[in-house]
Amino acid sequence: DTGVSQNPRHKITKRGQNVTFRCDPISEHNRLYWYRQTLGQGPEFLTYFQNEAQLEKSRLLSDRFSAERPKGSFSTLEIQRTEQGDSAMYLCASSDREITDTQYFGPGTRLTVL
Amino acid sequence: GQNIDQPTEMTATEGAIVQINCTYQTSGFNGLFWYQQHAGEAPTFLSYNVLDGLEEKGRFSSFLSRSKGYSYLLLKELQMKDSASYLCAALDSNYQLIWGAGTKLIIKP
Repeated sequence: DTGVSQNPRHKITKRGQNVTFRCDPISEHNRLYWYRQTLGQGPEFLTYFQNEAQLEKSRLLSDRFSAERPKGSFSTLEIQRTEQGDSAMYLCASSDREITDTQYFGPGTRLTVL
Repeated sequence: GQNIDQPTEMTATEGAIVQINCTYQTSGFNGLFWYQQHAGEAPTFLSYNVLDGLEEKGRFSSFLSRSKGYSYLLLKELQMKDSASYLCAALDSNYQLIWGAGTKLIIKP
């Protein structure tokens, strides 16, 4: 399978705990995006990378959120001191900007904060 | 501001045709995407339009009018498996996708 993969698929945590999610993009895709989605809404942009460089981060994003893409391949999204409002589906997508702007999504990580 | 508008929900009958409309306002424009999303799953790419006109792909077609800031997705010969949310997204001048809230399509037998 050469699609976008995400781990874990589900995460249940208690309020105040830290969580980390991983995304493996389609190989050789240079752009990687993180989104958050709640029920009945479209994806909400969080941040994106061009290779290893984080080029943009949503102004709505709390300082508790951080993302890395250390070698320009996989990426991690960490949420510190989770709150119940962080409960959502976290989606990762990748694209090859040189060829197309089409973003291909992974299956998502569903986070539940108790 | 940037905004995407699409109906919240639509209902159609199996075997029929349905058109889902989308209007957009973005700072700059570099194309319009449609994605399908089944409940609990990730969005999957359906179509991309950057020039005015109709793009046909099997049972699905997508239309764009840049001057009107308008697009639609046309689904023919509806099947029960087409029950899903359909997301419209516009690519702005920074090549960022601006997403609509999605249209939930309910197919009845």
